[in-house]
Amino acid sequence: KNQVEQSPQSLIILEGKNCTLQCNYTVSPFSNLRWYKQDTGRGPVSLTIMTFSENTKSNGRYTATLDADTKQSSLHITASQLSDSASYICVVSEDSGGSNNKLTFGKGTLLTVNP
Amino acid sequence: KAGVTQTPRYLIKTRGQQVTLSCSPISGHRSVSWYQQTPGQGLQFLFEYFSETQRNKGNFPGRFSGRQFSNSRSEMNVSTLELGDSALYLCASSLEAGHLSSYEQYFGPGTRLTVT
Repeated sequence: KNQVEQSPQSLIILEGKNCTLQCNYTVSPFSNLRWYKQDTGRGPVSLTIMTFSENTKSNGRYTATLDADTKQSSLHITASQLSDSASYICVVSEDSGGSNNKLTFGKGTLLTVNP
Repeated sequence: KAGVTQTPRYLIKTRGQQVTLSCSPISGHRSVSWYQQTPGQGLQFLFEYFSETQRNKGNFPGRFSGRQFSNSRSEMNVSTLELGDSALYLCASSLEAGHLSSYEQYFGPGTRLTVT
């Protein structure tokens, strides 16, 4: 069964500090992996999308890495800001070669950045 | 460019009723996907429509259905509502089929459905 596991479930850090969120998946065959940021009461916003051949992708202070061999991804946030407080969701798309590709979602990591 | 809009934003229904939610994608986007989000299960994929055809479907019962119009606007219908259907329903639009390609998906703000 395809699964996406995120850790930690929640994280509290001080403003200005860095942090790393983890995503392990068992989805196969792999198509792409996305990280989303979801503020409370809002829809998710895409941060990065990575395909099999990409192992690092940055979006401002957000840097995602992908190790397709070990099926692990991480999202590193640099110099955190109060506005980074949100849920971060990892989503993996399965490539089944047809139109019925499946998405598997992680349950998210809730990040709180305190002043 | 206007973002993805969803109506209504909040809805309260009684068990057994049916509900229709609406989603207007970003202009030019042809793919609309629907998701259910609950605190316990997280985000779960419902279905995806592209050019008025359902391209992909998640593991939800037949009470959940959808359709897409020629202008790419989409509606989702839930019949015979159950308490467990209380959730945030999100739609997302993309230029092409969102799962097969690396196209960005843009989410709307969601419709908060409460079933009593």
